[in-house]
Amino acid sequence: DQQVKQNSPSLSVQEGRISILNCDYTNSMFDYFLWYKKYPAEGPTFLISISSIKDKNEDGRFTVFLNKSAKHLSLHIVPSQPGDSAVYFCAGNTGRRALTFGSGTRLQVQP
Amino acid sequence: DAGVTQSPTHLIKTRGQHVTLRCSPISGHKSVSWYQQVLGQGPQFIFQYYEKEERGRGNFPDRFSARQFPNYSSELNVNALLLGDSALYLCASTARENTEAFFGQGTRLTVV
Repeated sequence: DQQVKQNSPSLSVQEGRISILNCDYTNSMFDYFLWYKKYPAEGPTFLISISSIKDKNEDGRFTVFLNKSAKHLSLHIVPSQPGDSAVYFCAGNTGRRALTFGSGTRLQVQP
Repeated sequence: DAGVTQSPTHLIKTRGQHVTLRCSPISGHKSVSWYQQVLGQGPQFIFQYYEKEERGRGNFPDRFSARQFPNYSSELNVNALLLGDSALYLCASTARENTEAFFGQGTRLTVV
């Protein structure tokens, strides 16, 4: 049973435009959500997080939105840059214990 | 400041062998977690340790074990290796149980 789903395996956007990566979850006990970026041959790099008591968190070009009623979160990257090309994982967390990851979305930002 | 360091970076083992993977957390971080990532999937949780005590265990067989040392470094051991154990093994550290996890570069294990 996949508790965290990233239904788009890949996404391609033009440099300067907005990238929107989506994530759905089924576990209502998640109280914290995180986004990670991963380059080949490297470990995941933490990007941004959001508590379940909030609906938006912003950090520079990155904004995460949480819709608890829909059990959906999204990561917006504005403006997108070629260096943003990577695999993005969303993850849910219960009681700050183990992270449950989605399967990832590969973002390609075209120059 | 050094991030999470893992050793070795790459490893090739034969079926049935045993392997030990090592992880040093970020200085000051007391919690270490281990994840397995197979191609095309997200990382899957294996173990979490905090202050040298096991705080969580994922759905992995008993062939997988781990421990955390007084200096907060950690080892992941896998016995009786199977071909399906081939994966990227990731270690993550957190300052406390309720903060973001920071990952090492991983150990790529290939079982032949």
